[in-house]
Amino acid sequence: KQEVTQIPAALSVPEGENLVLNCSFTDSAIYNLQWFRQDPGKGLTSLLLIQSSQREQTSGRLNASLDKSSGRSTLYIAASQPGDSATYLCAVYFGNEKLTFGTGTRLTIIP
Amino acid sequence: DAGVIQSPRHEVTEMGQEVTLRCKPISGHNSLFWYRQTMMRGLELLIYFNNNVPIDDSGMPEDRFSAKMPNASFSTLKIQPSEPRDSAVYFCASSLAALRGVAEAFFGQGTRLTVV
Repeated sequence: KQEVTQIPAALSVPEGENLVLNCSFTDSAIYNLQWFRQDPGKGLTSLLLIQSSQREQTSGRLNASLDKSSGRSTLYIAASQPGDSATYLCAVYFGNEKLTFGTGTRLTIIP
Repeated sequence: DAGVIQSPRHEVTEMGQEVTLRCKPISGHNSLFWYRQTMMRGLELLIYFNNNVPIDDSGMPEDRFSAKMPNASFSTLKIQPSEPRDSAVYFCASSLAALRGVAEAFFGQGTRLTVV
């Protein structure tokens, strides 16, 4: 069964610190992996898309990496800010057009 | 582009009533997805379309749920009759699927459905 796991479910970090969010998946035959952000009561905002041929993508203070052989992706957030507080979701395309989502990590940045 | 547009944003209905959720994908996108999000089960894919054709509806919970995409710019998700356990946030997403692999998916703001 193709599954996506995100641990921990919740994380609190003081403002200004760098942090890493983790995502693991069960099948290395993936097409792409996408990181999303969801604010309470809102929709999902796409942050980064990594294609299977890539090892990382960067956007501003965000850097996402992909290691297919180990079934892992990480989202690195530099110099965290209170506005980064949200739930971060990892989603994987397992060789088809269906995005399979992890359960997310709820991030709180403490001012 | 205004992004993926869903309506209504909120819907409260009585058990047994028919509910219709609407979605307008991003212009030019050829894939459309309906997801349901609950605290207990997270995000679940219900159905997705490619070029207006339903490709996989294995996530549709039961026959009370149906989805249509009559053209490239409009899709509906219908629940008839609705039940309290259908209460959730329903998201629509669209993407421009490439010949090999897929492209970035964009989500609407969701419809929060409450069935009482």
